[in-house]
Amino acid sequence: AQSVAQPEDQVNVAEGNPLTVKCTYSVSGNPYLFWYVQYPNRGLQFLLKYITGDNLVKGSYGFEAEFNKSQTSFHLKKPSALVSDSALYFCAVRDDYGQNFVFGPGTRLSVLP
Amino acid sequence: GAVVSQHPSWVICKSGTSVKIECRSLDFQATTMFWYRQFPKQSLMLMATSNEGSKATYEQGVEKDKFLINHASLTLSTLTVTSAHPEDSSFYICSAQTSTASYNEQFFGPGTRLTVL
Repeated sequence: AQSVAQPEDQVNVAEGNPLTVKCTYSVSGNPYLFWYVQYPNRGLQFLLKYITGDNLVKGSYGFEAEFNKSQTSFHLKKPSALVSDSALYFCAVRDDYGQNFVFGPGTRLSVLP
Repeated sequence: GAVVSQHPSWVICKSGTSVKIECRSLDFQATTMFWYRQFPKQSLMLMATSNEGSKATYEQGVEKDKFLINHASLTLSTLTVTSAHPEDSSFYICSAQTSTASYNEQFFGPGTRLTVL
C-alpha cells in the first residue's frame, strides 16, 4: 500500500532564505509524486510532479523538488522564500497500480518577514 | 486551463436536511472525479472515486447511502449529503482528472464548507 510521510508539521523560515519541505514515500511500483499547496479556505493548487526522467523537477512559483529513489524522498525546495509562500503544503503519491492519490498529512510553512 | 469549480462555496443547513454540492470541470472533460473531506488542520481524506457513467467507488468507512455521488457527464459530478447531521460539517473538496493514467495530476476545486446546525 502507498503511504506518504511529511515529518514536519510546521516549518518556519525567514523571507529571502531557502526553504525545504520534506516528504518521504512508500509505494509498490514506480512512484508518481506530486506537490500541492493549499491557501486558507481554498482548494489545492498543483505545484509540480515527478513521473520519470530528471530527478530535479521545476514547478510553479519558483518551487522545485528533488526525487531521490534510494532515500524514497521528494523534498520540496525554493531558493528564496516569500511571505506569500506561507501556506499548507501536501505531498502525494500514486503508483502504477493505484488510481487514487495518497496524501501526506501536510506541512504548514510560515515565511517570516 | 484545467479549472474545476464547486458550488456552493459554503452552505449552512439544518440537521436532517439534504445538501447537494456540484463539481464541474470548466475547460476539460474529466473521466474521473474524486471527492475528499478535510477536517480542520488535517489532510484530505478520500471519500469516493467516480468515473463518468458508472457507480462511484467508496472508500472503506464511507456510507454510500449517506454520501450520494452522481457523475452524470464528463464535466459534472455531484455529492449529496443526505439527512445531514452536525458531524457531517466539514470542508468538501472535489478534484478531476483528464484520464485514468496514474501519472496525471488531479485538478482541485476550491472546496465547499458545509455547516450543519
